[in-house]
Order: sequence, then structure tokens, then C-alpha cells
Amino acid sequence: EDQVTQSPEALRLQEGESSSLNCSYTVSGLRGLFWYRQDPGKGPEFLFTLYSAGEEKEKERLKATLTKKESFLHITAPKPEDSATYLCAVQARGAQKLVFGQGTRLTINP
Amino acid sequence: GAVVSQHPSRVICKSGTSVKIECRSLDFQATTMFWYRQFPKKSLMLMATSNEGSKATYEQGVEKDKFLINHASLTLSTLTVTSAHPEDSSFYICSALQTRSFTEAFFGQGTRLTVV
Repeated sequence: EDQVTQSPEALRLQEGESSSLNCSYTVSGLRGLFWYRQDPGKGPEFLFTLYSAGEEKEKERLKATLTKKESFLHITAPKPEDSATYLCAVQARGAQKLVFGQGTRLTINP
Repeated sequence: GAVVSQHPSRVICKSGTSVKIECRSLDFQATTMFWYRQFPKKSLMLMATSNEGSKATYEQGVEKDKFLINHASLTLSTLTVTSAHPEDSSFYICSALQTRSFTEAFFGQGTRLTVV
């Protein structure tokens, strides 16, 4: 069964303090790994899709990387507006649905 | 990124009535759409997958007669909660999968349903 585990569950950082969120996965052939950001009371906002080990993608202060077993979302010099829940999901080859992790609730204190 | 519009964003209904939620992909075609339910401070729980022109596939434990899903066109899917009860109160979110790539899924804004 395809599975996604995110850690930590919650993370508090000071503004400017860089860190990484982890997404470990097991999947029967990876088609894509997705990162989303979700603000309270809103739908998830698409950030990145990664397709193969070694791939990296960047957007502003965020950088996502992928290995055969896990993905990291690195956040560099975060600002309070980066506070949100970050969700990771995988899509198996031949499947339509995405399997989500439980999310990491990130809080950036000014 | 692509835009998925979900309507309404909030709805309050009386127990025993039905509520319809719409999900539209505004600038791309979506052969496949997903419906999720989200409990407070929890991740997304997939309820069903709908493919345009065919019956939805429901996840285990989801009552298909209670949560009716219709995907009549490449840009519109609807979720109808029938005979709603207070325990159906939740945050419902739709997602549309890009037909072109099948690897980019975009989400609607979500619908907060409260059954009184």
C-alpha cells in the first residue's frame, strides 16, 4: 500500500531561521511527488511536482528535493507569511489518486 | 497555476435537506476530479474519484447514496450531500487533475458545510 509520512508534525521557527521539512514515502512506482501549501480554511495551493530522484525545484524561499525514499522541502530565511501547513502527496504510476501525508504545520515567529 | 473554482465557500443547511457543491476547472480540461473531506487539523481524506462521463469511484467507507457525485463535463463536477445530518458538517475540497499531463492536481478553495 502506498504511504506518505511527514515530519515533524509541527515546527516553530524564528524569522530568518532556515530549516527542512521531511516527506518519506513508499509507493509502487512513483509517477510524481507533490508539495502543497494550505492556509487555514482554504484549499491546498500547488507548489511543486517532482518526478525522479535527484530532481530539485525552487520557488522564492522554498526548494524541494527528491530521493528514491524521501523528499525535503527546504525553507530559507523564512518570513511570517510562510506560516502554513505543508502537505506532501505521491501519485503512483498508473494511478489517478494522490496519497497525502498528514502535513507539517509550520509557524514562523517575527 | 491553473484555477479551480469551488462554490459555495460556506453553506449552512437544515438537517434532512440536500446541499450541492460545484467544482469547476476554469482554464483547463479535467478528465478526473477528486473530492476530499478534511477534519480540523487533519489531512485530506479522499472520498471519491470522478471521471468525466462515468460513475464515480468511492473510497471504502464512503456512502455513495449519501454523497452523490456527478462529472458531466470536462470542467464541472458536483458533490451533493443528501439528507444531511450534523455529522456531515465538515470542510469539503475538490481537486482537478490536468488532462494534458495527469500529474498536476489543483485544488478548489473548499466549502465549509454546517448542518444545523
